[in-house]
Formats: sequence, structure tokens, C-alpha cells
Amino acid sequence: SYELTQPPSVSVSPGQTASITCSGDKLGDKYVYWYQQKPGQSPVLVIYQDNKRPSGIPERFSGSNSGNTATLTISGTQAVDEADYYCQAWDTSTVVFGGGTKVTAL
Amino acid sequence: EVQLEQSGAEVKKPGESLKISCKGSGYSFASYWIGWVRQMPGKGLEWMGIIYPGDSDTRYSPSFQGQVSISADKSTSTAYLQWSSLQASDTAMYYCARLLEVVVVPSSKSALGYWGQGTQVTVSS
Repeated sequence: SYELTQPPSVSVSPGQTASITCSGDKLGDKYVYWYQQKPGQSPVLVIYQDNKRPSGIPERFSGSNSGNTATLTISGTQAVDEADYYCQAWDTSTVVFGGGTKVTAL
Repeated sequence: EVQLEQSGAEVKKPGESLKISCKGSGYSFASYWIGWVRQMPGKGLEWMGIIYPGDSDTRYSPSFQGQVSISADKSTSTAYLQWSSLQASDTAMYYCARLLEVVVVPSSKSALGYWGQGTQVTVSS
């Protein structure tokens, strides 16, 4: 079965750029999605089809996908961005999630 | 406004059956695929399966095939997740999530654009 791998945690200083990676075999051939989940809340879609932002998602969130790695970038990270972030792709008609990355703004 | 309203928390004993619900509003319920996602305590998101309420076409994750049943009633705009015999390992938060766009079949272009608030299921003797 298809697997997506994320680092368990990423630390970033407020105002700096956080980069969260998601790796999988030939991931660049698939669309990647990113979800933000804060403690006690439901996931929220922040990036779809590699690099598109849903309405209401701040411009500081951006995405890219090439080769075997997709990246979610948070520019000018704010304390409010502290959360778990999950990447997601489709393998035939099944959704595959990465294990999640906890972003901490120190 | 698109909303997915899930049923309340459940506490059950091992071996009992359970059916939780996800009611959609603010859109044409029959036209959008709805999926179910499990999140065990302190863990990540796991895909369970997806249903098209228009004709009840259902696709299960191999990990959950035979373990749960997904259904939908378009007359009440409600999707369901059901267990016939719960186990302690079913203790988790369960989310329903709707695809962002209308599609004929779920594909690599499909995002989980709207999520319910989650239903906590606790199975304990």
C-alpha cells in the first residue's frame, strides 16, 4: 500500500518560515493536500491540488510538489499556526494520510 | 453555508452495536461524496471509506473493509457509520468529511473540503 512520510515535529521561531515535508514514491505524479488540526478541533483544509488555497486560508500558507517530496510552507509563522499538519494523497480510490507533523512556534 | 453535523458522543461496551451519523446541510447532499476518518487517541488520521449518497456507491479502505458499514439516506441528508460488534480498539474520534467539489468518482483531484465536528466513541467494559 502507498505510504506518506512526514517528520514528527518542526520547530520555528515566530515570524520565520516553517517547511513541512511529505515524502512518497513518485509523489510528484499525484496531487497533494494539506490539513491543519488544532487541539480539540476538526481538521481544516489549507492547501489542495499541491498549491491552491481554499478561500479564507491566509496567503502565508503555500505548497509545492515535485519528485518524491511535497512541501507545505508557512511564511511568517504566527503563534496561531501551531498545530498538527497532515499531508494526503489518493492511491486509486483510497485516501492516504501522512503521519502528521506537529508545528511548534518557539 | 455547508455544514456537517455529527451525532453526539457514545459510550458502549465491547460486543455492542453502534450507528453514528453525519447530517449535511447547505448543499445538495446527494451530489457530493462523504468520507469517514478515524483518529485514535493521540494518533493521526486514518481513512475508513467514502460513499456517494446519490446512489450509495461505497468504497472502503482495505483496512476497514468488513469491519464497519457506511451508508447514507439522501431523504434525510444523513450519512452513517456502523459497527455490528464494537471492540475496545474502536475507541476513537470519528470524523465525516465531504469532498470539496462534485465529482463522478473520487480521484486524485478530490479534496476533503468540509469536516464534521467529530463523534467520540468510547468502548469500555
